[in-house]
Amino acid sequence: GAVVSQHPSWVICKSGTSVKIECRSLDFQATTMFWYRQFPKQSLMLMATSNEGSKATYEQGVEKDKFLINHASLTLSTLTVTSAHPEDSSFYICSRETSGRTDTQYFGPGTRLTVL
Amino acid sequence: GQNIDQPTEMTATEGAIVQINCTYQTSGFNGLFWYQQHAGEAPTFLSYNVLDGLEEKGRFSSFLSRSKGYSYLLLKELQMKDSASYLCASSDSNYQLIWGAGTKLIIKP
Repeated sequence: GAVVSQHPSWVICKSGTSVKIECRSLDFQATTMFWYRQFPKQSLMLMATSNEGSKATYEQGVEKDKFLINHASLTLSTLTVTSAHPEDSSFYICSRETSGRTDTQYFGPGTRLTVL
Repeated sequence: GQNIDQPTEMTATEGAIVQINCTYQTSGFNGLFWYQQHAGEAPTFLSYNVLDGLEEKGRFSSFLSRSKGYSYLLLKELQMKDSASYLCASSDSNYQLIWGAGTKLIIKP
């Protein structure tokens, strides 16, 4: 069964609003979780590494004030897209590490964000 | 620099065999992953190689040559449901994944 869940699976919002996406590790207390973005016909792009109890580590070019990440517990990380614009429309996928190995990841089902 | 190369798209016939190649250059190496991703869905894990050689798992096999920085994914007895993108990812010295752009595999009847 699924080991990582995401909610919502899809969301449509108006430009300028904020959207929160939740990522839950269902079977494992994950110190580290990851947020990816994927545009159509492109590969995964790591946005940030979410660390429980501390600040997230953002990849170069990702605005930390726009993409707010909170990892308040070992089973939940949230990504908030603030003041969303149409160019933020994308497929957002989270994943969790496995037993301390950050390269062995289990992915959530993804969230399709459409900003009108 | 760090780089993963794989073909953008491949086409194969149902029932046939297809090999998807991947070459990598990363800072350090802790293994090579293959993921399958159907359109509109998240990637799912297929295989992991850290030692040279072939790992077989049912219809799918994955090969690694560390000296050549090369891997391939071999899919046998292709089925229509195998139509998907196949992502190659290398784990670097910090156990961070470096992702390829993915190979879109189209299966024709």
